[in-house]
Amino acid sequence: NAGVTQTPKFQVLKTGQSMTLQCAQDMNHNSMYWYRQDPGMGLRLIYYSASEGTTDKGEVPNGYNVSRLNKREFSLRLESAAPSQTSVYFCASSLVHLLTYEQYFGPGTRLTVT
Amino acid sequence: AQSVTQLGSHVSVSEGALVLLRCNYSSSVPPYLFWYVQYPNQGLQLLLKYTTGATLVKGINGFEAEFKKSETSFHLTKPSAHMSDAAEYFCAVSDKSGGTSYGKLTFGQGTILTVHP
Repeated sequence: NAGVTQTPKFQVLKTGQSMTLQCAQDMNHNSMYWYRQDPGMGLRLIYYSASEGTTDKGEVPNGYNVSRLNKREFSLRLESAAPSQTSVYFCASSLVHLLTYEQYFGPGTRLTVT
Repeated sequence: AQSVTQLGSHVSVSEGALVLLRCNYSSSVPPYLFWYVQYPNQGLQLLLKYTTGATLVKGINGFEAEFKKSETSFHLTKPSAHMSDAAEYFCAVSDKSGGTSYGKLTFGQGTILTVHP
């Protein structure tokens, strides 16, 4: 049981390049989330998917797109990377049912945009 | 919109001393409450959660937190700090009213705990 996995672990992009961050979970969770973490700002929600086939914007969606490929996989795409998108990106999943709200996090992707 | 405030971006304690990390939330309805820990270069790990019932919640690694509705607080404590507790700690809340907020977490800014020998 691998939990939440993310690829790649590290990435360096030039301004204007595109890339897709991959996330997969094997816990049969219905909801998945993408966050970015910047020093002193906690985690900010970029996009989330409450269930397979649905996606919604979070707090900071500009410059990103997502795809919920199936129940297991949720990808985050940067179409034209900007230096302001330099951050650590975390994927999380949860089984949102009654009292079960906790989210399980992947190890993160450290992205640098030059 | 909900918000979470963690008082003190850095807390430093001696090994064996009490650890107290503060968290206050703003919500008209008491939310679900969580504490997560993040060790360097790792993802977040759930320490403990409050959803309903007993207001004193025990978590992993000897940590506990108490939900105080009147103070809108959920402070994290540990009686005796250990060197291995050095990490960043995040308080988070989830709106349990359903709708578009269903399952989403709002995080505080984080508190870095340093433990001195």
